[in-house]
Amino acid sequence: NAGVTQTPKFQVLKTGQSMTLQCAQDMNHEYMSWYRQDPGMGLRLIHYSVGAGITDQGEVPNGYNVSRSTTEDFPLRLLSAAPSQTSVYFCASTLRGMYQETQYFGPGTRLLVL
Amino acid sequence: RKEVEQDPGPFNVPEGATVAFNCTYSNSASQSFFWYRQDCRKEPKLLMSVYSSGNEDGRFTAQLNRASQYISLLIRDSKLSDSATYLCVVRGGDTGRRALTFGSGTRLQVQP
Repeated sequence: NAGVTQTPKFQVLKTGQSMTLQCAQDMNHEYMSWYRQDPGMGLRLIHYSVGAGITDQGEVPNGYNVSRSTTEDFPLRLLSAAPSQTSVYFCASTLRGMYQETQYFGPGTRLLVL
Repeated sequence: RKEVEQDPGPFNVPEGATVAFNCTYSNSASQSFFWYRQDCRKEPKLLMSVYSSGNEDGRFTAQLNRASQYISLLIRDSKLSDSATYLCVVRGGDTGRRALTFGSGTRLQVQP
């Protein structure tokens, strides 16, 4: 199993550009989510999905779109990049069992918006 | 007020020391609690879940106090490899019943 994969690892954008951060998991998890991590603020939830075709907003959704056409893929789109979106982005998928719940994170995408 | 609050540290301790971190959460409806570990410039990884009765995993002990709304993590016999940031995580807070809310983390540096 590759687990959760993210591409690209690094990206530099100019203000106003758009791009898509890719996320894929091969563990057949229904629940996936996107977070951003900024210094001193912890991880904040951007969007999440409880299954293919179903997405919802998290704490900081503005400026981002998501879709979930398959169980495996959960891309995050930046519509018009702004310097405030400079951050580290983590995708995660969640395994929920009867007695345990584990979020598996991808390695992250480091984004710089100039 | 942050939904999940942690002392950012850093906690600088010698090898073999016992160290404890606390975390408080604001939403009394929170349902599940976890400690994650994050190494520098890496992704977070689950360290342990926190159960109401308290639980232990080797050198790590987690406690939950629902009445006071705090969670603790105790690390005994610290190793150099324990150096990392420890994230307190709560599920069922303001962002929705399924969502996780992360504290900003407590940094631990174990010194030889």
